[in-house]
Amino acid sequence: GNSVTQMEGPVTLSEEAFLTINCTYTATGYPSLFWYVQYPGEGLQLLLKATKADDKGSNKGFEATYRKETTSFHLEKGSVQVSDSAVYFCALSTNFGNEKLTFGTGTRLTIIP
Amino acid sequence: NAGVTQTPKFQVLKTGQSMTLQCAQDMNHNSMYWYRQDPGMGLRLIYYSASEGTTDKGEVPNGYNVSRLNKREFSLRLESAAPSQTSVYFCASLRAGELFFGEGSRLTVL
Repeated sequence: GNSVTQMEGPVTLSEEAFLTINCTYTATGYPSLFWYVQYPGEGLQLLLKATKADDKGSNKGFEATYRKETTSFHLEKGSVQVSDSAVYFCALSTNFGNEKLTFGTGTRLTIIP
Repeated sequence: NAGVTQTPKFQVLKTGQSMTLQCAQDMNHNSMYWYRQDPGMGLRLIYYSASEGTTDKGEVPNGYNVSRLNKREFSLRLESAAPSQTSVYFCASLRAGELFFGEGSRLTVL
């Protein structure tokens, strides 16, 4: 079956540090890959996505590249801000149009001023 | 700008009580979902509905029932609550590969 493994947290960084949150996956076929973010007290919201190999998703300074050869979709940001403090979820879907997403366990990120 | 609305936001139940979590979306989406979020477990799919009048089991359906009342509404019912159902529940709807989530309902079963 499908599965997503992401870096365990919590992760604590200083403001302006470089961020990487690792995500690897196992899936049949060719999945679409997603990063969702959950700010305190809120539901999840889509941060970025990539639907085929070598695609790069980007949003709000975050990037992730779909690497089929390493089955990875690592999230990166060059300079984090306090407002980036949240829980980040990697997810995949193999049923485009009627998605049942498989989520990772989430990584809690805290940015210290 | 309502998006996905869930009620109630908080609920405390005793073991064996029943309750229904309500969810409504105003984006005219066909597919709707119920997830539960537990520490260290990520989100797990309970039930989903691909369209009005259809529902299917997800990863953890035991102890739950759902109703897709119309295109807007998708409710989740606990007939006899158990402590293992203490969790945060999220409703979501889907468009073009993107899930839109409600703010969550925190349920505690004593």
